[in-house]
Amino acid sequence: AQKITQTQPGMFVQEKEAVTLDCTYDTSDPSYGLFWYKQPSSGEMIFLIYQGSYDQQNATEGRYSLNFQKARKSANLVISASQLGDSAMYFCAMREGLYGGSQGNLIFGKGTKLSVKP
Amino acid sequence: GAVVSQHPSRVICKSGTSVKIECRSLDFQATTMFWYRQFPKQSLMLMATSNEGSKATYEQGVEKDKFLINHASLTLSTLTVTSAHPEDSSFYICSASRGGNQPQHFGDGTRLSIL
Repeated sequence: AQKITQTQPGMFVQEKEAVTLDCTYDTSDPSYGLFWYKQPSSGEMIFLIYQGSYDQQNATEGRYSLNFQKARKSANLVISASQLGDSAMYFCAMREGLYGGSQGNLIFGKGTKLSVKP
Repeated sequence: GAVVSQHPSRVICKSGTSVKIECRSLDFQATTMFWYRQFPKQSLMLMATSNEGSKATYEQGVEKDKFLINHASLTLSTLTVTSAHPEDSSFYICSASRGGNQPQHFGDGTRLSIL
């Protein structure tokens, strides 16, 4: 079974509107972290936002927020007020054994390609 | 500013050449670094975990003798693609983390093209 599932291969959003990118995960580890990265066409991986399994509140970082629903094992990324520069691939990733018991490698989803229309 | 530096950003070379890619953590010591491979329009696949002072841990299906990893210091890991062939052409990207709940920071990646 896939550990990270991103069901949307591609998404379109109108500039200045909000968009939600879906991510569900599967783990039996009680201690894990969820990360979102942005990969523009140039290839670099840009860290956007992080949510720990023990965090009580949803993470926010500027225009990015994470809709964390632990019982449903989902960690959707919400981008508000989309900009043309937001067009990129977006990857959801998980690290298990966050506070020990893991070498720290990330498990990535297949990604969602977001296109922002002017 | 960048916390992980990867060099070179692009390599084009003939089949049979060995190619070395460097990954440096710039402002922290990384006992563990990671090497990923990414095919076009696909996700990142972990190739190996690079451990300072010990042998790398390779993922299943990754040839140890083809992809040599050396973690010579707490700030430098190198990936050498030995006797590269066209099927080795890909985007290779490294990362490092301060550990715990800290994010992995990635280098800018290396586009390797073997002719």
